[in-house]
Amino acid sequence: AQSVAQPEDQVNVAEGNPLTVKCTYSVSGNPYLFWYVQYPNRGLQFLLKYITGDNLVKGSYGFEAEFNKSQTSFHLKKPSALVSDSALYFCAVRDGRSNYQLIWGAGTKLIIKP
Amino acid sequence: ETGVTQTPRHLVMGMTNKKSLKCEQHLGHNAMYWYKQSAKKPLELMFVYSLEERVENNSVPSRFSPECPNSSHLFLHLHTLQPEDSALYLCASSQDTGPREQFFGPGTRLTVL
Repeated sequence: AQSVAQPEDQVNVAEGNPLTVKCTYSVSGNPYLFWYVQYPNRGLQFLLKYITGDNLVKGSYGFEAEFNKSQTSFHLKKPSALVSDSALYFCAVRDGRSNYQLIWGAGTKLIIKP
Repeated sequence: ETGVTQTPRHLVMGMTNKKSLKCEQHLGHNAMYWYKQSAKKPLELMFVYSLEERVENNSVPSRFSPECPNSSHLFLHLHTLQPEDSALYLCASSQDTGPREQFFGPGTRLTVL
């Protein structure tokens, strides 16, 4: 069965420090992987995706993620956190054999403290 | 968020009411989606439309009825809802149903009394 796990409900990071938000997945075929961010009272915004190619993907607002096939992970990273990065982050995966179904994680709340 | 708009932003309704949620996308996309978002739970895909045809109905109760009159508009008609249906309902669109990023509206916060 397809699934996505975001093992941390909340991540706390001091401003200026590197941040990591974890995501692991399980699919039958080749995965298509996505990260989205949700600010309070807003819809989700696309950050980045991995379809194929280079395992390190760069996205919006200085975020990047690394696809690790052996560990079935797609962790989101940023070298230096900003207070404005505080938001809810969602990882999603799509089985390459699926037409359109995205499987979503439950979300990780990221809090950046000044 | 002018790409995908949703109205109303907030809705309170009784269990016997009939109401509709509206979504409009200004991006020229061919696929539109309805999601249900409940606190601390993964997004639940409800319906998918591609070129105005419904291509997915994820075992959603019949008290939720979607309508897609054209590729820019999507409605969710609500009837005889239950309190557990209270949630944030998100509309999204994408270029097509391939592995493309989805663009989300701000959502409608629904409360069923």
